[in-house]
Amino acid sequence: QVQLQESGPGLVKPSETLSLTCNVSGGSIRNYFWNWIRQSPGKGPEWIGYVFYSGSSNFNPALQGRVTISADVSRSQFSLKMTSVTAADTAIYFCARGQDGYNHSFDYWGPGILVTVSS
Amino acid sequence: EIVLTQSPATLSLSPGERATLSCRASQSVGTYLAWYHQKPGQPPRLLISYASNRATGVPARFSASGSGTDFTLTINSLESDDFGVYYCQQRSDWPPLTFGQGTRVDIK
Repeated sequence: QVQLQESGPGLVKPSETLSLTCNVSGGSIRNYFWNWIRQSPGKGPEWIGYVFYSGSSNFNPALQGRVTISADVSRSQFSLKMTSVTAADTAIYFCARGQDGYNHSFDYWGPGILVTVSS
Repeated sequence: EIVLTQSPATLSLSPGERATLSCRASQSVGTYLAWYHQKPGQPPRLLISYASNRATGVPARFSASGSGTDFTLTINSLESDDFGVYYCQQRSDWPPLTFGQGTRVDIK
């Protein structure tokens, strides 16, 4: 059974960089797309971006320029960095796998980590 | 960006009743539409991919249909575990992948 687990600071100061890691266990990181998705209270999820295991990536244009996603196949992990955060970036951040080696939908999710942006 | 509009916002039903949820896309997404169920404090769970394909382990009381811009998720004979929020999501014209704002299914 594939399992994903997010980790990182739960509190980030405004203008600083948010850094999260997703650890993948129970399955290979190879041949899949790995995504970050966030959700503000009471809202629908918002897709942030993906990294393919080979390292190629793509992002939500609304966040482009602030987001980097990378993968470490040897550690079975992938990471999110978001620069210049504001209170609007406060949300639960999920990592998720693109289903069946494509990225049409997301079949495995981490439990999520709440990140609060506040001084 | 493709906008997904879900209706109704809230559905109040009793166990055993049928729920019909709608998702409308601002432009055609073909069949690149998925449905998820989310309970409080949990991540969304994939129910349906490619508009009508049930994900592994999803009960047969969940069915979905549609293509282009209009999609429907039907839950036959609601069970207590089915209450929560349902989201649709498209991956046709991307980036970005987008989600709807959700339909909440409450116990009447």
